Amino acid sequence: DVKVTQSSRYLVKRTGEKVFLECVQDMDHENMFWYRQDPGLGLRLIYFSYDVKMKEKGDIPEGYSVSREKKERFSLILESASTNQTSMYLCASSWDRGRGETQYFGPGTRLLVL
Amino acid sequence: DAKTTQPTSMDCAEGRAANLPCNHSTISGNEYVYWYRQIHSQGPQYIIHGLKNNETNEMASLIITEDRKSSTLILPHATLRDTAVYYCIVLYGNKLVFGAGTILRVKS
Repeated sequence: DVKVTQSSRYLVKRTGEKVFLECVQDMDHENMFWYRQDPGLGLRLIYFSYDVKMKEKGDIPEGYSVSREKKERFSLILESASTNQTSMYLCASSWDRGRGETQYFGPGTRLLVL
Repeated sequence: DAKTTQPTSMDCAEGRAANLPCNHSTISGNEYVYWYRQIHSQGPQYIIHGLKNNETNEMASLIITEDRKSSTLILPHATLRDTAVYYCIVLYGNKLVFGAGTILRVKS
């Protein structure tokens, strides 16, 4: 079974703090993704990566950065957390590229910024 | 990406088949239909996908109409654990765009 794990299920941070969310997949997938999910807005893509050290902006990259130093690990960084970044963060990975995409999701990290 | 239309919610009796419809009238020839579900407080879970032919796996069956403008996800024997939000997604390339989905409530 594909396994995608996220470093925390719940996280509470203060405004202005630097926040690291880590995601690890164990299936040698090339592609990794970070989404956030908010009520009424569905899932929105923040960043994705097709390969080590490679990243591409998704639909809402502002206020976020990412790092992919190893194939299995994809980190989402909030440089200076703000209250509007309170959300559920979901990581996903996949091996397909191009047409057709089966993404496997982690359990999510629920982040509260006070 | 083609848009999809799903009912907001559906109920299903435990043990019965759950048939979840999806309209995707603007789908183009190279676009796949994907189904995911999300159980409360968990990440989305892949269920099944197809292009033109009907598909079946251990979780569900996917029936795609001949003109590909609509599809139906079938859970053959729904259980209480199948209560979730079900998302129908039409995909070309790598981008998954989740809509509001259908809330399926399986009742005993």
